[in-house]
Amino acid sequence: GIQVEQSPPDLILQEGANSTLRCNFSDSVNNLQWFHQNPWGQLINLFYIPSGTKQNGRLSATTVATERYSLLYISSSQTTDSGVYFCAVEETSGSRLTFGEGTQLTVNP
Amino acid sequence: DAMVIQNPRYQVTQFGKPVTLSCSQTLNHNVMYWYQQKSSQAPKLLFHYYDKDFNNEADTPDNFQSRRPNTSFCFLDIRSPGLGDAAMYLCATSDPGTSGSWETQYFGPGTRLLVL
Repeated sequence: GIQVEQSPPDLILQEGANSTLRCNFSDSVNNLQWFHQNPWGQLINLFYIPSGTKQNGRLSATTVATERYSLLYISSSQTTDSGVYFCAVEETSGSRLTFGEGTQLTVNP
Repeated sequence: DAMVIQNPRYQVTQFGKPVTLSCSQTLNHNVMYWYQQKSSQAPKLLFHYYDKDFNNEADTPDNFQSRRPNTSFCFLDIRSPGLGDAAMYLCATSDPGTSGSWETQYFGPGTRLLVL
């Protein structure tokens, strides 16, 4: 099956700093999603981004499907950004999302 | 607001005692999923329903069963919970687009299961 690798596995920032999270995948995909899992376990959709660039406030994402990677940018980080960020992809054969192992982000005040 | 609801948020059961977790959705999506997530791991798909069609993952233990009586509700039954089944259980929904992609998945808040 498809392999999804996220980096870095852990990231510690001071409030106000910017960061870039990366997701590499091993095969062509139908779609790619970025999620934020908050400390209570809720998985929150950030972006549905099979290709191209999207922005939502302080967050933006870019997927380069031909090179099989996606980037999540967090600008002016806040303590509420803390949690685990997951990238998940759907293979072209369809029917399921395969998750990466996540990036644990800690933003300190 | 349209949403995915899971009850209960926390469930404590005894080793070997059957337990049922529930999920409901107001999104009217065709597809409903159950994931298991253990501590510090990624969510792992157990099975999904496309309408009434049940799709089991090859490595999902027989101890896990599911029911979908209607579009809005889906249940996860664990017939004989073991200590290793303690985890967060996440329900999700999606609505396949005309392109055939499964589109965005929307997750409920999860049920955290503790097995004593």
